[in-house]
Amino acid sequence: AQSVTQLDSHVSVSEGTPVLLRCNYSSSYSPSLFWYVQHPNKGLQLLLKYTSAATLVKGINGFEAEFKKSETSFHLTKPSAHMSDAAEYFCVVSDLDISPTGGSYIPTFGRGTSLIVHP
Amino acid sequence: EAQVTQNPRYLITVTGKKLTVTCSQNMNHEYMSWYRQDPGLGLRQIYYSMNVEVTDKGDVPEGYKVSRKEKRNFPLILESPSPNQTSLYFCASSFRENEKLFFGSGTQLSVL
Repeated sequence: AQSVTQLDSHVSVSEGTPVLLRCNYSSSYSPSLFWYVQHPNKGLQLLLKYTSAATLVKGINGFEAEFKKSETSFHLTKPSAHMSDAAEYFCVVSDLDISPTGGSYIPTFGRGTSLIVHP
Repeated sequence: EAQVTQNPRYLITVTGKKLTVTCSQNMNHEYMSWYRQDPGLGLRQIYYSMNVEVTDKGDVPEGYKVSRKEKRNFPLILESPSPNQTSLYFCASSFRENEKLFFGSGTQLSVL
């Protein structure tokens, strides 16, 4: 069974300061990990994806995340926050779900972290 | 433009009145899925489809049906809606499972 925990429901930063959004996961096999962003009244958009090629993953809009297997973490960071970064962020773990009829990937979403950026 | 289109954007209905939320993608994606988003719970998968005529249950399938008769369309059907199905619904698609998901703009459903 897989699960994902976003450790903060809200994170508040000032414009120009670093952003850290924390995500811990558990899985049985070798998971894929994703970060999505949701701006108000919009659908979700992929920021980045980890698939085991490299532990440091670079995404869009200056975001990156580091996969740490020993800590089962996949924290999202950005060196300098911009007002347009204010949004809801979701960490997603996707692992192989084995059943008698075969296997499939079921994504599990975290509960989300609301990023607030102050001028 | 590559996109996932959901309709309607907003829907208010009454308990027991059957409804369908449509979803269409123009990217020739094999994988499509439905999610509901509730405050403080994130997104939960309702149903998914690996390809035409292949559908399977996600984490919260009770009270929902889907069909995949054509590759581009994946409607969500509520045969007898109940108030606990009031939620924000998203359709998403990807080239294959476990790939980047493209999301629609969402359907806000209220069941009275």
